[in-house]
Amino acid sequence: QSALTQPPSASGSPGQSVTISCTGTRSDVGGYNYVSWFQQHPGKVPKLIIFQVTERPSGVPDRFSGSKSGNTASLTVSGLQPEDEADYYCNSYAGGNKWVFGGGTKLTVV
Amino acid sequence: QVHLVQSGAEVKKPGASVKVSCKTSGYTFTLYALHWVRQAPGQRLEWVGWINTGRGNTVSTQKFHDRITITSDTSTSTAYMELSSLKSEDTAVYYCVRAKYTGYDMVGFDDWGQGTLVTVSS
Repeated sequence: QSALTQPPSASGSPGQSVTISCTGTRSDVGGYNYVSWFQQHPGKVPKLIIFQVTERPSGVPDRFSGSKSGNTASLTVSGLQPEDEADYYCNSYAGGNKWVFGGGTKLTVV
Repeated sequence: QVHLVQSGAEVKKPGASVKVSCKTSGYTFTLYALHWVRQAPGQRLEWVGWINTGRGNTVSTQKFHDRITITSDTSTSTAYMELSSLKSEDTAVYYCVRAKYTGYDMVGFDDWGQGTLVTVSS
């Protein structure tokens, strides 16, 4: 299966909001509500921040929110903070017990 | 507390095989599937495959279909990923990841191991 499409980069100033998109097909993002988002700081292990499109694990700030429309899922980071600067990856179930990640988006807090 | 501890870094020659282990603790091993995800240097995350630790059946991405073997040992709560016929493009950090469930439905990925760097070089 092909990787989900994410913009390579995104940026925002502290306090602003930024939205990262994740586009797939009706065979993955559009077909299931099993979209997750991961945050990865340089040299670190990815961390789950959103699952099932909109759900936040305990301990994840509510500044992080997820949504989906058709074949595109989105991650919104509100009230940007310097520590939000990281790579973000979306992930979706793709049917047939298979999963697929996005290409990743580097978020810069300028 | 859930822990996934992976084996150490490996350096292999092209054509060789590598076997990475993932020892788990803090939960009932057979109740959670384990995925393998890899990340080449500076590149994106890539799903490799997963094992139903209760039944032992596996699914992997077609890209590795004939080169990958995922197994588990319930007596030691350890999962293994073996990749054969290694190529330089297989150089990556390999992660084991515990599946996340809502009820009985697998909804994604949850806890990650620390990663194992596999370097393929002549």
